[in-house]
Amino acid sequence: GAVVSQHPSWVICKSGTSVKIECRSLDFQATTMFWYRQFPKQSLMLMATSNEGSKATYEQGVEKDKFLINHASLTLSTLTVTSAHPEDSSFYICSNRGQGVNEQYFGPGTRLTVT
Amino acid sequence: GDSVTQMEGPVTLSEEAFLTINCTYTATGYPSLFWYVQYPGEGLQLLLKATKADDKGSNKGFEATYRKETTSFHLEKGSVQVSDSAVYFCALGGGSYIPTFGRGTSLIVHP
Repeated sequence: GAVVSQHPSWVICKSGTSVKIECRSLDFQATTMFWYRQFPKQSLMLMATSNEGSKATYEQGVEKDKFLINHASLTLSTLTVTSAHPEDSSFYICSNRGQGVNEQYFGPGTRLTVT
Repeated sequence: GDSVTQMEGPVTLSEEAFLTINCTYTATGYPSLFWYVQYPGEGLQLLLKATKADDKGSNKGFEATYRKETTSFHLEKGSVQVSDSAVYFCALGGGSYIPTFGRGTSLIVHP
């Protein structure tokens, strides 16, 4: 299957700082990428859908000014958590889907801890 | 909107026991259905999928059949192993569907 990488795999930052998480599609061009957030022992919550070259579509309740998503190329999408707070601590997972491909591939996730 | 409902866990079994994790969905039309597995501290891995009614997905001894009449996609395995301990997510998606996940079911297999 397709390979998706995320960087960093874990990050600890101080409250008020910003953190950027990269998601790369390593072996195919992903026209659509998804960003999910997962709280401990809970399911994945879709945060936003990004299409290459256009603005991301955010799910209801997700602050677009806080969670900045950029999908500048077919192989790279970034999620920036701005002015992070302890409640932003979570496991963030990206996923990609190529055009016409009938499944999704997930990155290994990034664990963010805000102190 | 579309939704996926999974049985609540944890499911605790002894090694070699039979496993069933129930999953039902609500959606307009005919989405593809998936089972993903998440091992502790890791991301999700696709376990199996089915893209149309009556399709059976299978992998690593796990099976699930796409039942349109009951809108279900139950996961089964005839003989579980300790290494199968993980969280299992049922999901719908494919095509133009927004990927939608169930809450996940934790499986614990004891030796």
